[in-house]
Parts: sequence; structure tokens; C-alpha cells
Amino acid sequence: GAVVSQHPSWVICKSGTSVKIECRSLDFQATTMFWYRQFPKQSLMLMATSNEGSKATYEQGVEKDKFLINHASLTLSTLTVTSAHPEDSSFYICSARDPPGDRGRNEQFFGPGTRLTVL
Amino acid sequence: AQSVAQPEDQVNVAEGNPLTVKCTYSVSGNPYLFWYVQYPNRGLQFLLKYITGDNLVKGSYGFEAEFNKSQTSFHLKKPSALVSDSALYFCAVRDKYQSNDMRFGAGTRLTVKP
Repeated sequence: GAVVSQHPSWVICKSGTSVKIECRSLDFQATTMFWYRQFPKQSLMLMATSNEGSKATYEQGVEKDKFLINHASLTLSTLTVTSAHPEDSSFYICSARDPPGDRGRNEQFFGPGTRLTVL
Repeated sequence: AQSVAQPEDQVNVAEGNPLTVKCTYSVSGNPYLFWYVQYPNRGLQFLLKYITGDNLVKGSYGFEAEFNKSQTSFHLKKPSALVSDSALYFCAVRDKYQSNDMRFGAGTRLTVKP
């Protein structure tokens, strides 16, 4: 089955530093990847949608200069939290969609999440 | 834009009893409907989906859901709950004709007591 991995699974950093989170589709090519943020006991909130080779589309209220997204290949997307602050502490989940057609089902698969704690 | 409502923050059931987790949706076209389960500090695990066809959809771990177009609902059900079913459950909807992601409900925490 389709597998999406994230690395790291958890990270603790000091305020002001930048943190990069990787999302990989392990056994399929993902033309579209999504980044979500989840606060404790709350639902997933979509942050941005990225298509391979193009700029990400950010949801309203999400600072694109703070949350840099790079979808450089069909199997890798990265989210960089720049100059992180304690309020950025959250659980970040990526999702990848496999393409429609014979080789895919246009389904969305989720990574295991990355817990970011900013001190 | 599509949206999902899960009216219950918390559902408590006794082990062995049937469980229902409610979900209603709103879309402009025909819906893709999904249920996911999340365990602590983990990502979402797919349970089942409705695309088209039979209104009763069977999924993983003995769960099923019934699509009701007139009531715009997609409630998750299981005939006999297990303690291990205790988790956070999310309903999600995607508009079939738009290339966008899914919108999630707020989640319902299911607690199954022995």
C-alpha cells in the first residue's frame, strides 16, 4: 500500500532557529502534497498545498515566509519553519496524493506526523 | 466550499456495545467521504471511504459507515466496540470535481470502557 513517511518524528529547538520537516512518498509519485497543522485535541488545519515544481498555495492566515514549502520532486516535500517561536509548537502532518488513472487512485495518504516543540 | 461537522466532541460506550460516531457534510457537488482514526502522537489512519455505489461502506477493523444523501450524513458505526477502538476519529469530505484536499471535521474522541 501507499506509504508516506515524515522525518523527524519529533524535534525540539530553541526559539529563533529554523526547522526543516521532510515528507516522502515511499512507493508512489505524489504530484500533490499537503501540509497540515494540528493543535492538541483539535482537528487538522490545512496550511498549504504544493504541486511538484510549482509554488505552494497557502491557506488564508498562513505566513508563507514563515512556513517555507518546497516540493522539488515527485516523492519529497519539505516544510521549513523559519525563526520558530513557542507558538509554532504543534503537530505537523503531511499528506500525499497519488495520481489518478491506472497507476493510482487519486487517494490521499497521511504521514505519521512531526511534533515540533519550540523552547 | 465543502465542510464537515462532527456534532459530538466525545462519545463514551461500554465494551461490547454498538457505537456510532456522527458526521454530516456539505458539498456543492457529489462528495467523497472518508473516516480516519488517530491514535496519540500518530498520523491519520484510513478506515473507510464512500465514493459511489452502495450506501453502506465496510472498512477496516470492523467499522462501517452509512451514506445518507437526504440527511447529508455519513455516520461511522461498529456493532461491538473494543477498548482498543478508543481514539480520535475524523470525518472528512472532498468535492469530487475539484482538485483540492480534504476538509476535516473537528474530531470525536471515542472512549470505550471495559
